[in-house]
Amino acid sequence: QKEVEQNSGPLSVPEGAIASLNCTYSDRGSQSFFWYRQYSGKSPELIMSIYSNGDKEDGRFTAQLNKASQYVSLLIRDSQPSDSATYLCAVYSGNTPLVFGKGTRLSVIA
Amino acid sequence: DAGVTQSPTHLIKTRGQQVTLRCSPISGHKSVSWYQQVLGQGPQFIFQYYEKEERGRGNFPDRFSARQFPNYSSELNVNALLLGDSALYLCASTIGGGSDTQYFGPGTRLTVL
Repeated sequence: QKEVEQNSGPLSVPEGAIASLNCTYSDRGSQSFFWYRQYSGKSPELIMSIYSNGDKEDGRFTAQLNKASQYVSLLIRDSQPSDSATYLCAVYSGNTPLVFGKGTRLSVIA
Repeated sequence: DAGVTQSPTHLIKTRGQQVTLRCSPISGHKSVSWYQQVLGQGPQFIFQYYEKEERGRGNFPDRFSARQFPNYSSELNVNALLLGDSALYLCASTIGGGSDTQYFGPGTRLTVL
């Protein structure tokens, strides 16, 4: 069974700090990796996608992928209260379009 | 451009009833996937359709069925509703049928009493 693991949190960080969100996955054949943000009662919103080892930066967000360790992370710099949400890690592995983790709840304290 | 649309927004049903949820993908997208998200969990894959054919099915009972129409819109049907079917049902669209980025609609909140 293909699995994606995330710490459920809550992860609390002060405003302006770096938030670090982590995700591990079980299927070594996984090809594509995604981070979604989900506010309470809303649908997931794509933040970043990453396909190859290394870092990918987009504004305040940096995704990091290490396929050898089966690990993907999301860093949020200069965290804002508006970043408070649940962050979902999703992995594409074969026939199932996306396998999601349970999400990490992030709370940014002003 | 309009994003993924879903209807209805909210729905309340009783056990044993049947429900149909609808989804229209982003213009130009040919694939639709359905997910179920219960409170506190990540979305769980139900179905994917691409060019009107089923491309994948998750671990859900036969009470769940879906189809895709020539205009690429899709319906998800759930028969003999159970209390445990209460969830947020999400539709996502992609351009193709592979590992393309999926864009989610607003979801349909189903409550089964």
